[in-house]
Order: sequence, then structure tokens, then C-alpha cells
Amino acid sequence: DAKTTQPTSMDCAEGRAANLPCNHSTISGNEYVYWYRQIHSQGPQYIIHGLKNNETNEMASLIITEDRKSSTLILPHATLRDTAVYYCIVSDFGNEKLTFGTGTRLTIIP
Amino acid sequence: DTAVSQTPKYLVTQMGNDKSIKCEQNLGHDTMYWYKQDSKKFLKIMFSYNNKELIINETVPNRFSPKSPDKAHLNLHINSLELGDSAVYFCASRTPYTGELFFGEGSRLTVL
Repeated sequence: DAKTTQPTSMDCAEGRAANLPCNHSTISGNEYVYWYRQIHSQGPQYIIHGLKNNETNEMASLIITEDRKSSTLILPHATLRDTAVYYCIVSDFGNEKLTFGTGTRLTIIP
Repeated sequence: DTAVSQTPKYLVTQMGNDKSIKCEQNLGHDTMYWYKQDSKKFLKIMFSYNNKELIINETVPNRFSPKSPDKAHLNLHINSLELGDSAVYFCASRTPYTGELFFGEGSRLTVL
């Protein structure tokens, strides 16, 4: 898997948009960007993934730069329940080895 | 219905003992995983099975032996437990359509 770099921690006010950046400068053409989060000690939860187009689902939006070297996960209206560690991973479908980095610890502040 | 279920959720045991953690998924996926999350919260892949065949073994000590009786089950047996084995162990399965991983709730192993 290509490596990813994320900030160690971020704070966001409740109700505001949380923007979580991820650098993946060595991503290859067939690798997707995946985002997961882990709330406290629960199992990681899939959020969203994309290849090169921006994606949106009921949880979040994913913005991938045109050169695909970085991306941003956007939680449009953060709530206290969004406090978690967010992991950015790059992988292609055929690669069974998904490697999690250290992630970003997002704290939503009331 | 729980998609990926692990048992037990908590396990406290003495050094030197042998223990097993079971995992079952009802999603029909071919690929299953074991991950270990230690006290520093690093989530590290241990094993991956595809349709009962071992495809990834991340240089895990051979005290750890995964077993997949069928593609819906991936169990983890640990022999001669050591203090450093204390961790949360997560089972996961992966859909081939999107590559998405589905995780269980974890099994917290404490070795005394």
C-alpha cells in the first residue's frame, strides 16, 4: 500500500464542518482512497472511498485533488458522536493487505 | 443481524495458557482478516484468508494459528500466551465489489 500522512489530531466545533486532510503523494493509478473511523475502542467503521472523482454519501464527502496526491474528508455538520480516530488508506481492489496508519484523532468540541 | 461477530468480547487469562477467539461473518465475503490493536492503538494486520486459503501472514509468531473451517469463519488460536499478546483483536471481512472492510467489535485479550 502507498503511504499516507495525516495530522495527529484536530479539533472542530460542534455543528461546523470538519475537514480532515490526507497526503498520499505516492498513490498509483489503480489505488483508491478509503476512509475509516474508529470510535473509542469499537471496530473501525467504513466511511467512504473514491478513485479520482469527488464522492458523497450520507456520512461524509471526499474531495480528491486532481493530481490525486491528497484528499480531504469532510463531515459537513460535526456532532459529538463524530469524535473518533479517522484513518486514510490507499489500496487497490486486488490488494488484500490494507494497512492502517496512525490516523487523525478528531475531537468535536461542544 | 451482526455482520461480523467475534467471541468472546473479553478474555482474561494467565501467561502460558492457550486460548481461541472465534469470528463469523454473514455477509458472504470470501476474504477475512485478523488485526491486532495494541495499547498504543496501532492497528496491525496479522492474517488474511481468501475462501479458506491463507494469503497474508504478517510474520506473526507461530504461536498464533488461524483456522478457517469455511469461508464464513476465521478463528484465531494462540498458544503459550505471553504478556505482549495483550491487545484488542479485530476480525474483518472484505467485499470484493468496493474493497470495503467490515469489522467486528473486537476481542480484548488480557494476559496476566
